[in-house]
Amino acid sequence: EVQLVESGGGLVKPGGSLRLSCAASGFTFSNAWMTWVRQAPGKGLEWVGRIKSKTDGGTTDYAAPVKGRFTISRDDSKNTLYLQMNSLKTEDTAVYYCTTLRRWHFDLWGRGTLVTVSS
Amino acid sequence: EIVLTQSPGTLSLSPGERATLSCRASQSVSSNYLAWYQQKPGQAPRLLIYGASSRATGIPDRFSGSGSGTDFTLTISRLEPEDFAVYYCQQYGDSSYTFGQGTKLEIK
Repeated sequence: EVQLVESGGGLVKPGGSLRLSCAASGFTFSNAWMTWVRQAPGKGLEWVGRIKSKTDGGTTDYAAPVKGRFTISRDDSKNTLYLQMNSLKTEDTAVYYCTTLRRWHFDLWGRGTLVTVSS
Repeated sequence: EIVLTQSPGTLSLSPGERATLSCRASQSVSSNYLAWYQQKPGQAPRLLIYGASSRATGIPDRFSGSGSGTDFTLTISRLEPEDFAVYYCQQYGDSSYTFGQGTKLEIK
């Protein structure tokens, strides 16, 4: 079955760090461009960042609100995508979705993991 | 950054009716780069339309997309009970992706 499963969410204090994981199965993960998209409670969707496949350079791009604080990486041997979040702010509170990226649109989505930043 | 504005914010219709949802961009968007998603409460979004008018795998043909430049439309020809949800448009540009604020399609 083709699926993405996120994990690692939870409650963290402002200024803290958290690492999310996304386990992929049912497709060739190493060939896939991957992204993280988040959704604050009751709000719309916001793109967080993307990582290209290694064959396409493996480079990353980030949305302005998270640039310099968040880092996306991948381990193709484990079919896993990561999101390292540092210097967390209350406005980072959201459900974080892992998705495959077909260059310009988000194809397969995980079910999401909730990150709450609160003191 | 390209801003996408969706209208209306909420659309109240009955099953069997036709729904027309609008997405307007602050500057021209390549049709290749415009997509639509459906999100139901408590669920992840689902890709409906990509490239402005291509249906994603498994999407019923009552869903159609059209438009170009700055004006795009998602049409649901005959609403089924399962179509009542929130719909988002999304565009790509300058290595960045943005979403509209969403249109809530509710049962009248």
